[in-house]
Amino acid sequence: LAKTTQPISMDSYEGQEVNITCSHNNIATNDYITWYQQFPSQGPRFIIQGYKTKVTNEVASLFIPADRKSSTLSLPRVSLSDTAVYYCLVPEGSSASKIIFGSGTRLSIRP
Amino acid sequence: EAGVVQSPRYKIIEKKQPVAFWCNPISGHNTLYWYLQNLGQGPELLIRYENEEAVDDSQLPKDRFSAERLKGVDSTLKIQPAELGDSAVYLCASSLGLAGSSYNEQFFGPGTRLTVL
Repeated sequence: LAKTTQPISMDSYEGQEVNITCSHNNIATNDYITWYQQFPSQGPRFIIQGYKTKVTNEVASLFIPADRKSSTLSLPRVSLSDTAVYYCLVPEGSSASKIIFGSGTRLSIRP
Repeated sequence: EAGVVQSPRYKIIEKKQPVAFWCNPISGHNTLYWYLQNLGQGPELLIRYENEEAVDDSQLPKDRFSAERLKGVDSTLKIQPAELGDSAVYLCASSLGLAGSSYNEQFFGPGTRLTVL
């Protein structure tokens, strides 16, 4: 089982900001948090990764509180093309040597 | 630079037939992964290679599934014989380093959609 918990689905409208929160209560001290995006008929694609506080790139922002037991992916001003499944991941295994995908959050954007 | 290449994109076979999937990772990526993805679910790891060594194959059903990565580059995943429940998308991914490191970005191919009739 994945070490993360996130909502199964979310709906929003074009132009809105969307925040997807992920819980990872058992995150280890050295674990990074990674988010992937998957469109239909494509493989997942890396969006953003962070360790603490805030990370921002051209696609999204990632907010991580001090206790690191959760994280929030923020998508500014979404468009229809942001409709996808979003996965929150933390490493697994004794040596943090792999990641396990859960079911992700299915985000639907409406006009 | 080319991404991860997989072939074929689609495959339809009858049950009990063999099938093989091919993956060419991004040049220079030492780590290669094979995932299985069922409809509505996230990818599930089948096997991970570090160069030519299979370092995690705990989720690979070894009675019918096999994989190889000769010379630490291309990889082939085989199913023999295929069963109805094997219908899924098979994804290949590659990365520079270990999945859990801070540089664990995995690059995925488009996948092979297998239908077993």
